[in-house]
Amino acid sequence: DAGVIQSPRHEVTEMGQEVTLRCKPISGHDYLFWYRQTMMRGLELLIYFNNNVPIDDSGMPEDRFSAKMPNASFSTLKIQPSEPRDSAVYFCASSLSGYEQYFGPGTRLTVT
Amino acid sequence: DQQVKQNSPSLSVQEGRISILNCDYTNSMFDYFLWYKKYPAEGPTFLISISSIKDKNEDGRFTVFLNKSAKHLSLHIVPSQPGDSAVYFCAATGNQFYFGTGTSLTVIP
Repeated sequence: DAGVIQSPRHEVTEMGQEVTLRCKPISGHDYLFWYRQTMMRGLELLIYFNNNVPIDDSGMPEDRFSAKMPNASFSTLKIQPSEPRDSAVYFCASSLSGYEQYFGPGTRLTVT
Repeated sequence: DQQVKQNSPSLSVQEGRISILNCDYTNSMFDYFLWYKKYPAEGPTFLISISSIKDKNEDGRFTVFLNKSAKHLSLHIVPSQPGDSAVYFCAATGNQFYFGTGTSLTVIP
């Protein structure tokens, strides 16, 4: 298996623009997680899905953030409008059990 | 509010010696604990886990110890190898998932 695939790997955008991050989980995994990593706050869980249904989005920082999982093989995290403080590395992870998670390589987002 | 804490941001160990990474947590409802390893420009990689009903789990050179009364877990790596140099995150889960801020391990040849 190719593992969790994230795109793009790097994104540079201007403040106010819409940003869409994409994730393809490992086939057969029922759980999908979105995380954000910053120097100040470490690795934070934003939202997770089970069988394509959002289970807990309490980590989503603001209404500017939204996530969808239209099918078992694809998820998006959207930021609209983006702000400089959104600059971080965003990770997607998938899991069969909900415990051991397999992470993608991350998307480094820079908002100028 | 950090529910999972790794108080040592970095650790240096000689090759062949033991590396001990520590993690503290605050929520007694956590029922599963995990350690992840992360290299630069890569996502974290699952390393080893332990259920709250156990106090030790071993996998090759890696052993995780859980002390529920102290709300403390540790990861032992014996013997340490230069390839173990990475950032190590502990994580805890109950109804939610929490990660520590990581400890950067450097194994000196």
